[in-house]
Amino acid sequence: QITLKESGPTLVKPTQTLTLTCSFSGFSLTTSRMGVAWIRQPPGKALEWLALIYWDDDKRYSPSLNSRLTITKDTSKNQVVLTMINMDPVDTATYYCAHSLMYYFDGSGYDSFDSWGQGTLVTVSS
Amino acid sequence: SSELTQDPPVSVALGQTVTITCQGDNFRSSYANWYQHKPGQAPILVIYPKNNRPSGIPARFSGSNSGNTASLTITGAQAEDEADYYCNSRDSSGTHYVFGTGTKVTVL
Repeated sequence: QITLKESGPTLVKPTQTLTLTCSFSGFSLTTSRMGVAWIRQPPGKALEWLALIYWDDDKRYSPSLNSRLTITKDTSKNQVVLTMINMDPVDTATYYCAHSLMYYFDGSGYDSFDSWGQGTLVTVSS
Repeated sequence: SSELTQDPPVSVALGQTVTITCQGDNFRSSYANWYQHKPGQAPILVIYPKNNRPSGIPARFSGSNSGNTASLTITGAQAEDEADYYCNSRDSSGTHYVFGTGTKVTVL
């Protein structure tokens, strides 16, 4: 059974850096086709994909947030860390991490986020 | 802004069928995922690429696609199906991921 849990500050000030940790069990990020994604949802708004790190350390970032995001993994601790710099009140959201499994169709890989953490609400305010 | 556009909120009578759609330019609709999201809970994957259903997801959930449009159908909607539903797939570059705008489904 795959489980994930997000942890980090609930309140950050504008311009500060947010560091979130995703602790997981039930899979290894050294296994082919596995990944961990970060997704967020501002209050009353839609889900937004932020970043994804794969078993082979390939990393993908949302183009609109690329300059502010860093995603890393620690396979020995079964953790993935997301860092977002220069936080702003518009970044107030529930942040989720999710297990990603890659499927191959027609020679290309497609990821599905098949297990999610419960999410953590991060408020950006002075 | 999202590259995947979904329907406005819809309602369905208990036991009836509802179909919601997701469309976008250069959208490989057959490779869409669909997620069910209820307030205060973690999203749940209900359909993954090639219109497959994960184990544990009821058979009343099905996916289909045509051109640049993916669809999610709930056949015989139950009260517990009331939720927001999001599609997701790679973006037009094929390098990143994107979620749709979401559709709220209300079961009457």
